[in-house]
Amino acid sequence: DAKTTQPPSMDCAEGRAANLPCNHSTISGNEYVYWYRQIHSQGPQYIIHGLKNNETNEMASLIITEDRKSSTLILPHATLRDTAVYYCIVIGRGTSYDKVIFGPGTSLSVIP
Amino acid sequence: DGGITQSPKYLFRKEGQNVTLSCEQNLNHDAMYWYRQDPGQGLRLIYYSQIVNDFQKGDIAEGYSVSREKKESFPLTVTSAQKNPTAFYLCASSGGAATSIYEQYFGPGTRLTVT
Repeated sequence: DAKTTQPPSMDCAEGRAANLPCNHSTISGNEYVYWYRQIHSQGPQYIIHGLKNNETNEMASLIITEDRKSSTLILPHATLRDTAVYYCIVIGRGTSYDKVIFGPGTSLSVIP
Repeated sequence: DGGITQSPKYLFRKEGQNVTLSCEQNLNHDAMYWYRQDPGQGLRLIYYSQIVNDFQKGDIAEGYSVSREKKESFPLTVTSAQKNPTAFYLCASSGGAATSIYEQYFGPGTRLTVT
């Protein structure tokens, strides 16, 4: 399964778009990109996932590059409540659950 | 409301004692998971169960045990054999009819402190 690389931390001004990058250069054709976030001392929360097309839901947008080697999670108007650790995970069909890895993620701080 | 409950939120135990963490879900999900999180770290999988009466070890199963006698429940026992049990424990479930098996729904977690 492909590994992911994320910056350890980022800041974003309140009201601005937060763009969180994820590198997954070894991703294979049947692997999806999933994003979760974890607010301090709470359980992680599913945000969005995609294969190769851009995806949007009520929480965020996911932009996957054409070569699928990287992606960006976009929070269009960040609020203080978006301060959290964001995890990018690559998962393939048929992946055993013990291969689903939540790495250290990116700690996003939304600043007033 | 549907969701996952974990109790208690905070738990304190003396070294050498076994302790059982509760996890219940009413989402009708087939799969359930236990993760451990240490400060500043990601999540590490302890055990997972895809169906009742069956479960598999994750990356760090040593010193832990689980049972899955009911679809709704997946309790985790931290035994005295676990050398560093103090951590934040998270339970999750997935696999409802309308969701991907990889869309995991997490409980609020139990913070265990062993002294």
